[in-house]
Amino acid sequence: KQEVTQIPAALSVPEGENLVLNCSFTDSAIYNLQWFRQDPGKGLTSLLLIQSSQREQTSGRLNASLDKSSGRSTLYIAASQPGDSATYLCAVSASKIIFGSGTRLSIRP
Amino acid sequence: DTGVSQNPRHKITKRGQNVTFRCDPISEHNRLYWYRQTLGQGPEFLTYFQNEAQLEKSRLLSDRFSAERPKGSFSTLEIQRTEQGDSAMYLCASSLAQGTYGYTFGSGTRLTVV
Repeated sequence: KQEVTQIPAALSVPEGENLVLNCSFTDSAIYNLQWFRQDPGKGLTSLLLIQSSQREQTSGRLNASLDKSSGRSTLYIAASQPGDSATYLCAVSASKIIFGSGTRLSIRP
Repeated sequence: DTGVSQNPRHKITKRGQNVTFRCDPISEHNRLYWYRQTLGQGPEFLTYFQNEAQLEKSRLLSDRFSAERPKGSFSTLEIQRTEQGDSAMYLCASSLAQGTYGYTFGSGTRLTVV
């Protein structure tokens, strides 16, 4: 049974810092890995999708890596801004998508 | 196409009442998924459809829950005899095939059972 773990559960950093969110999964038989952002009380917004054959994807200040053999992914956020405050969810895909519990990120002005 | 649409956005109901939620997926997506999310947790899988066929149901989907996707287009999720523990955000997602190109989520329906 696939299990996805995200560390840390919560993170608070001052504006401008670079930061890394971690995700691990137990079964490497995945099609892809997707990072989502969720604002309080809202739905999920897709940030980055990494296919199982890829090592990383970049979008603006965001960079996500995937090491399928070790069951790990990281989401790197450069030059953090208060608008980045949200919960970030990692999800792996096989027949369906399985989520971690998320990292609640707070960027202090 | 404006993405995945869910209605209603919010629903408050009394314990014991039945509720129904609707999801309209992206039109060319043949797979549709339902998830439930409680406060502070990641979304939990409930069920998914490929076209009109319901291919998998989670053990979380008790016999009070039923989902349909007639004609492989929109889907409905019905909860009968609601309980306070059913209070959650219900999320719908759609994808092409096995999610090779990722999953697109709707804004969710927040259910409060009083």
